[in-house]
Amino acid sequence: KQEVTQIPAALSVPEGENLVLNCSFTDSAIYNLQWFRQDPGKGLTSLLLIQSSQREQTSGRLNASLDKSSGRSTLYIAASQPGDSATYLCAANDYKLSFGAGTTVTVRA
Amino acid sequence: NAGVTQTPKFRILKIGQSMTLQCTQDMNHNYMYWYRQDPGMGLKLIYYSVGAGITDKGEVPNGYNVSRSTTEDFPLRLELAAPSQTSVYFCASSHDGGAYQPQHFGDGTRLSIL
Repeated sequence: KQEVTQIPAALSVPEGENLVLNCSFTDSAIYNLQWFRQDPGKGLTSLLLIQSSQREQTSGRLNASLDKSSGRSTLYIAASQPGDSATYLCAANDYKLSFGAGTTVTVRA
Repeated sequence: NAGVTQTPKFRILKIGQSMTLQCTQDMNHNYMYWYRQDPGMGLKLIYYSVGAGITDKGEVPNGYNVSRSTTEDFPLRLELAAPSQTSVYFCASSHDGGAYQPQHFGDGTRLSIL
């Protein structure tokens, strides 16, 4: 059974600092790894999807890396802003999505 | 763009009551999913469907039932509600099962069983 872990559970940084969010998974036989953002009281919004054959994926200030052999993915958010405050979840896709519990990020103005 | 729409947004049930959580999508997606999210936990898959008339159990199906008579709708039925079913329920849909395109999520139904 796929187990997905996200550390830390919460993170608070001053505006402008770069964010590094970690995700680990136990079974490397995945199709892809997905990162989502969840705002309070809302559903999940897809941020990045990295195929198992890719090493990284970028969108604006967001960059996600994938090391399938070691079971790790990292989401980098450059020059954080208060609007980046949210919970970030990763999910490993081995036909079904297995989610981590998320990292709650607070960016202080 | 409506995307995935869930109703109701909030509901309080008494133990033993039943209800149906509604989910509809307007993207013509074949794949649809129901998840539950408990505080401090990741989402857990309850049921999923790969097309009209086809459903299958996920990780935590006990106490729930689903049906898929149309491509657009995927209702989740709770029979004999129990306090353990207090949770936030999310419906999602995808074009290709997540192989290349991410899932699209509704805003959730917050359900309390008292």
